This record gives sequence, structure tokens and C-alpha cells, in this order.
Amino acid sequence: KQEVTQIPAALSVPEGENLVLNCSFTDSAIYNLQWFRQDPGKGLTSLLLIQSSQREQTSGRLNASLDKSSGRSTLYIAASQPGDSATYLCAVSVDTGRRALTFGSGTRLQVQP
Amino acid sequence: DTGVSQDPRHKITKRGQNVTFRCDPISEHNRLYWYRQTLGQGPEFLTYFQNEAQLEKSRLLSDRFSAERPKGSFSTLEIQRTEQGDSAMYLCASSRTGYTGELFFGEGSRLTVL
Repeated sequence: KQEVTQIPAALSVPEGENLVLNCSFTDSAIYNLQWFRQDPGKGLTSLLLIQSSQREQTSGRLNASLDKSSGRSTLYIAASQPGDSATYLCAVSVDTGRRALTFGSGTRLQVQP
Repeated sequence: DTGVSQDPRHKITKRGQNVTFRCDPISEHNRLYWYRQTLGQGPEFLTYFQNEAQLEKSRLLSDRFSAERPKGSFSTLEIQRTEQGDSAMYLCASSRTGYTGELFFGEGSRLTVL
């Protein structure tokens, strides 16, 4: 059974800092990995999708890497801003037909102005 | 906006009542998923449709839960005889077969059972 772990569970940083969020998964037979952002009481917004054959994806100040063999992914946020405060969720889909996602519990990020 | 739409956004009900949530996926997305999320946890998979066929149900989906997707378009999730433990955010997502596999989520329907 696939299990996804995110460390740390919570993180508080001053504005402007670069930061790294970590995600690990137990079964390396994944189809893809997605990073999401969730604001309190809201749905999930997709940030980055990495296919299993890829090593990284970038979007603006965000960079996600994937090391499939070691079961790890990182989300790097450059020059953090207060508007980045949210919960960040990592999810993997296994390489079977349904492609449903298995989620970690998330990292709650607070960026202090 | 042609994103995933969910209704209602918030439902408060008394224990024992039935509730129904609706999800309208992104048009031409043939896959539709329901997830449940409780406070401080990541979403958990409930069930999955490809077109109108319900292909998988999690063991989290007790007999009181039923989901449908008539004609392969919108979907409904009904909870009968609600219990306080059903209080959660119910999230719907959609994707397209043969594409990147990226899932797009709606804003969710928050259920509070008193």
C-alpha cells in the first residue's frame, strides 16, 4: 500500500526566505506526482505535475524535483511571500488504470511579513 | 470559468438526515473522482468513475454512501442517515484519459453533521 509522508508538518519563515518542502513515498512504481496548494476551507489548486520519467518541473518561483528510485520529491519555493502562506500537499498516482492520487498530510506554511 | 464545480459549498444537517452533493467536472474530462478530507489530513480516495461506469470504491465508502454519474457528465454523492463522523470536506476531481493524468479539483463541499 502506497504511503506518502510530508515533512515538516508546519513551517514558519520570514518573508524573502527560500524554503524546501519534503515529500516521501513508499512505492516507487508511480505514474506521476503532483504538488497542490490548499488555502483554509478551500479546494486544491494544482501547482506542479511531474511525470515519473521526469526529474523536475518549474513554474515561476516554484521548482519541484522527483527522485523516483529513492521515493522522494521536494518543492522549492524561492523568495517566499506572505501570499504563499497555505498548506502544501504532495500526492502520487500509482501506475495502474485509475490514476487516483494518494496524498500526504501536508505542510502548513506561514510566511511572516 | 470551466473548472470543476461543486454544490453546495457548505451543508449543515442533523444526524440521521440524508444529504446529496453534486459535482460538475471539466467538460470532456471522462474521469471523475470523489475524495474526503478531514481537518489536518490529506484527502482520501472514495470512488472513481470513467465515463458513467463506477470502476472502484474505497472501503471508506460504507453502505450509506452512494455515488452516481448518469450519462458520464455530472456526478452526485449521497450520504444516507448521516453520522457525526461524516463531517468532512468532500472534494471532487476530474481528469482526461490518455493525457498527463493531472487531476483538477473543485472547491469542495463541507458537511457539518450536528
